[in-house]
Amino acid sequence: RKEVEQDPGPFNVPEGATVAFNCTYSNSASQSFFWYRQDCRKEPKLLMSVYSSGNEDGRFTAQLNRASQYISLLIRDSKLSDSATYLCVVTGGRTSGTYKYIFGTGTRLKVLA
Amino acid sequence: DAMVIQNPRYQVTQFGKPVTLSCSQTLNHNVMYWYQQKSSQAPKLLFHYYDKDFNNEADTPDNFQSRRPNTSFCFLDIRSPGLGDAAMYLCATSRDGRYEQYFGPGTRLTVT
Repeated sequence: RKEVEQDPGPFNVPEGATVAFNCTYSNSASQSFFWYRQDCRKEPKLLMSVYSSGNEDGRFTAQLNRASQYISLLIRDSKLSDSATYLCVVTGGRTSGTYKYIFGTGTRLKVLA
Repeated sequence: DAMVIQNPRYQVTQFGKPVTLSCSQTLNHNVMYWYQQKSSQAPKLLFHYYDKDFNNEADTPDNFQSRRPNTSFCFLDIRSPGLGDAAMYLCATSRDGRYEQYFGPGTRLTVT
């Protein structure tokens, strides 16, 4: 079982739709959780950190379920510019003073006009 | 405001010819990472520096080396690039290795 698993997609949705992605992780001791966005041939960019109580940033809502070991990302009112790959990142075990960042392989989103 | 800068953005090298990629940061983060990313794959951690302490991943080939002369700069040396080393190389930084990571724009390496 992979440490961090995501549905690769692609998710093809019309403009204005609401779309949700899930990400499961295997290490119950994971401390920190993030969603990154990566455009084709570009670097990952931090979209949002995920907090235990859930958090929202404009059209984006992230939630953490520690009991079931998954995090989710909800995008409301999808825009064409939201088309990208969304990477789930979870910190794993501690090594040499720092936590290891475990990346999912990403979920591709295509927003269609 | 550039925070993590990588040079060059594109690098073409010949099979077996050493190449050095550079990364600099203005965030004053104490942890710096090098990742390799191939098409449609997740970034793969090669190694990281926690302050001056170098931490190599167990599966990183000996062909890959790194130097961190000061807090702001970090280099990736590929001693004898093979065709399989063609990839995007990403530098990232974080504060104390527990908070979010910030990535540079990457260097796309082509090996001919």
